[in-house]
Amino acid sequence: GAVVSQHPSWVICKSGTSVKIECRSLDFQATTMFWYRQFPKQSLMLMATSNEGSKATYEQGVEKDKFLINHASLTLSTLTVTSAHPEDSSFYICSAWTTSGRHEQFFGPGTRLTVL
Amino acid sequence: SQQGEEDPQALSIQEGENATMNCSYKTSINNLQWYRQNSGRGLVHLILIRSNEREKHSGRLRVTLDTSKKSSSLLITASRAADTASYFCATAEWSSNYKLTFGKGTLLTVNP
Repeated sequence: GAVVSQHPSWVICKSGTSVKIECRSLDFQATTMFWYRQFPKQSLMLMATSNEGSKATYEQGVEKDKFLINHASLTLSTLTVTSAHPEDSSFYICSAWTTSGRHEQFFGPGTRLTVL
Repeated sequence: SQQGEEDPQALSIQEGENATMNCSYKTSINNLQWYRQNSGRGLVHLILIRSNEREKHSGRLRVTLDTSKKSSSLLITASRAADTASYFCATAEWSSNYKLTFGKGTLLTVNP
């Protein structure tokens, strides 16, 4: 099956620093990648939709200047949490969607961000 | 408004019993998917059912979809302790570029 990786799997940083999370589709080309955030014991909330070569589309309430998304190639999207604060601590999950005709998204294993 | 509301929010059963989780949604959908998530881990895709399908099976999983009632159910038969996880339904809408909207999930605990 299609494999999506995320790096790092966990990160701890100081308040005010920026953190970059990578999402890679390892064995397929992903036209679209999605970024989700999940707080403890809650569901996944879509943050933004990332299309290769174009600007990301952010969901309502998500600050685009705080959560910078770059989808530079068909296999890589990055999410940068800028000037992170403790309230940004969360589990960030990406997914990749392929245009191969299948209708499912393939999810990465997630990145646990803890901001001190 | 929230798509994909599951119930129950939590379910505790004994190994060998069946577990049924329900999901309701509000808008027209292209398909509905069920995912599993072990604590602190990523999502595992379980099954996808298209809007023109009514029932689908995969191993011990059985999913039904009633588009007239905008609801779906996931049945896990002969449950095992290893089935302990959170289960989420997610809907993909026709007009949303395949964005998925997740429900709040059901935490299933299977006691050995």
